[in-house]
Amino acid sequence: EVQLVQSGAEVKKPGESLRISCKGSGYTFTSYWITWVRQMPGKDLEWMGWIDPSDSYTNYSPSFQGHVTFSADKSISTAYLQWSSLKASDTAMYYCARHRLATSPFDHWGQGTLVTVSS
Amino acid sequence: EIVLTQSPGTLSLSPGERATLSCRASQSVSSNYLAWYQHKPGQAPRLLIYGASNRATGIPDRFSGSGSGTDFTLTISRLEPEDFAVYYCQQYGSSRTFGQGTKVEIK
Repeated sequence: EVQLVQSGAEVKKPGESLRISCKGSGYTFTSYWITWVRQMPGKDLEWMGWIDPSDSYTNYSPSFQGHVTFSADKSISTAYLQWSSLKASDTAMYYCARHRLATSPFDHWGQGTLVTVSS
Repeated sequence: EIVLTQSPGTLSLSPGERATLSCRASQSVSSNYLAWYQHKPGQAPRLLIYGASNRATGIPDRFSGSGSGTDFTLTISRLEPEDFAVYYCQQYGSSRTFGQGTKVEIK
């Protein structure tokens, strides 16, 4: 069974750093790209970008370029989303999802990680 | 950027009724790269339809997608209790964007 299991909820202060994870199982991790999607409270889904775990090539949405970093460790089938300095506006649910190509839908999703940034 | 507009915002229906959800794109979606997802609170979104009209693996045949170009429709022929959720359309032909969602609620 294909699964993407995300790390648990986080509560952080503005300016702190954070890395959340997305672990794939039940499939060949390097055969699918991992995308990240943000959903701010009461708002729409926003595509943040994707990473190819086979070579860590990344493609960021212009809206998120420079604000977050994607990485992956294929040895443990895990992708990461990282912030170096959180802002209150980063408070959101973050989902990972997999897709095979740039022009493929997201066929499996993680359960989401809630990130709360508050002083 | 292709903007997707879904309508209606909320659909109030009873189990057994037919649901028709609309997704309109600001410009033509290339190769009909249009997907529909179901999202329930506290759960991972689920892919229902891809390529505008192809059901994803394991999706019941009461779900169907149609349309091309800029106008797309998701139809649920007879609503089951587990179908009450939020539905999003997404285009994946030019970068990726989502619609704002349609909530299907129990009347």
